Amino acid sequence: DIQMTQSPSSLSASVGDRVTITCRASENVNNYLNWYQQRPGKAPKLLIYAASSLQSGVPSRFSGSGSGTDFTLTISDLQPEDFAIFYCHQTHTTPYTFGQGTKLEIK
Amino acid sequence: EVQLVQSGAEVKKPGESLKISCQGSGYTFTRYWIAWVRQMPGKGLEWMGIIYPADGDTTYSPSFQGLVTISADKSINTAHLQWSSLKASDTAMYYCARFLGTDRHMDVWGKGTTVTVSS
Repeated sequence: DIQMTQSPSSLSASVGDRVTITCRASENVNNYLNWYQQRPGKAPKLLIYAASSLQSGVPSRFSGSGSGTDFTLTISDLQPEDFAIFYCHQTHTTPYTFGQGTKLEIK
Repeated sequence: EVQLVQSGAEVKKPGESLKISCQGSGYTFTRYWIAWVRQMPGKGLEWMGIIYPADGDTTYSPSFQGLVTISADKSINTAHLQWSSLKASDTAMYYCARFLGTDRHMDVWGKGTTVTVSS
């Protein structure tokens, strides 16, 4: 299986900050990398697909980049509703594996 | 509106069988894959497998192969996840999601079905 490693596992930030979450794959996944946000008690929500494509309806303060094995999710101008857990997910090779998650908390 | 509506919470005893469902609406059900994702209490997301309702083509994660069965009934736009003999370790939230084969991502999710297995 392809292992997905996110860093950091958690971080604290303030409203208005810019944060970056990284995701590293144990082997090349090309651009088959997606990012999801999960708020407490809710289903995951797609933010970014194909490494850098913004899902319809998702605010433009979310952006993704990377290819191959190294990817980043950047959130600029953090808003109160952005505090959640974020997961990367590779869909290059089955089983399609998730990162362990990054918990973004309010400082 | 594209929706996936999942069946309600279940409380079962170890050894019992269970089948939960995920009904799609607002789109052509047979044109998209349906994925199942597990989330154990307080833990992360785990991809279980995927089915193409048009022909029943199914791929399982090795971690779940033989432990669950994924199926679909295209006549009622519904996918299922079933267990023949539940264990306490099956206690989790189970999500279904529509999976787009082109860019390979899950764009619409159900709200989840909580399964509790306890004696």
